[in-house]
Amino acid sequence: DAGITQSPRYKITETGRQVTLMCHQTWSHSYMFWYRQDLGHGLRLIYYSAAADITDKGEVPDGYVVSRSKTENFPLTLESATRSQTSVYFCASSERYGTGSYSNQPQHFGDGTRLSIL
Amino acid sequence: GIQVEQSPPDLILQEGANSTLRCNFSDSVNNLQWFHQNPWGQLINLFYIPSGTKQNGRLSATTVATERYSLLYISSSQTTDSGVYFCAVEGDRDDKIIFGKGTRLHILP
Repeated sequence: DAGITQSPRYKITETGRQVTLMCHQTWSHSYMFWYRQDLGHGLRLIYYSAAADITDKGEVPDGYVVSRSKTENFPLTLESATRSQTSVYFCASSERYGTGSYSNQPQHFGDGTRLSIL
Repeated sequence: GIQVEQSPPDLILQEGANSTLRCNFSDSVNNLQWFHQNPWGQLINLFYIPSGTKQNGRLSATTVATERYSLLYISSSQTTDSGVYFCAVEGDRDDKIIFGKGTRLHILP
């Protein structure tokens, strides 16, 4: 099915463990994003990618690593998980997302991954 | 960086009522989006509206970029409209999207 899918939907792990959240989109959108959602903070951008092999930091990148070897995939890795990284993580994609442009290209979100770190 | 403030933070209405949600931003923006997060946590894009007015059924949005605000109107509210409404902007000084903290809307049957 066309769209954007995240896996797993739920994950429980322990502090210090490495965990990878997967994001896959079938639209061939250029841009992909990772956000975390926490009570009191709304959604905050962790990392984004303009194309394969191009990534950039968002508002809260510390403790996270991303890669984008293929256009359709954008995994997010917590190399050594901490309790403060307990959150709901959302992946999003858009066709084009440029500065100084009024292009009509909205973001489409996955259903989220609820991550608990004990 | 750019600041985004949404008001009111919470809103409880009876089914059939109309509502207006506001998004203020502190600097000029390249784009602005409105999202609805339903009670199951799914985020749905409602409008991509850096300026002007758009309508989609019972929902409409207006952005006045020169005055740094956007409004989302919901008419004849239904219980399925419940959830959190987010405004997200991309400032024109950098290319990062910043979300407001949302307005939580609860429509009573």
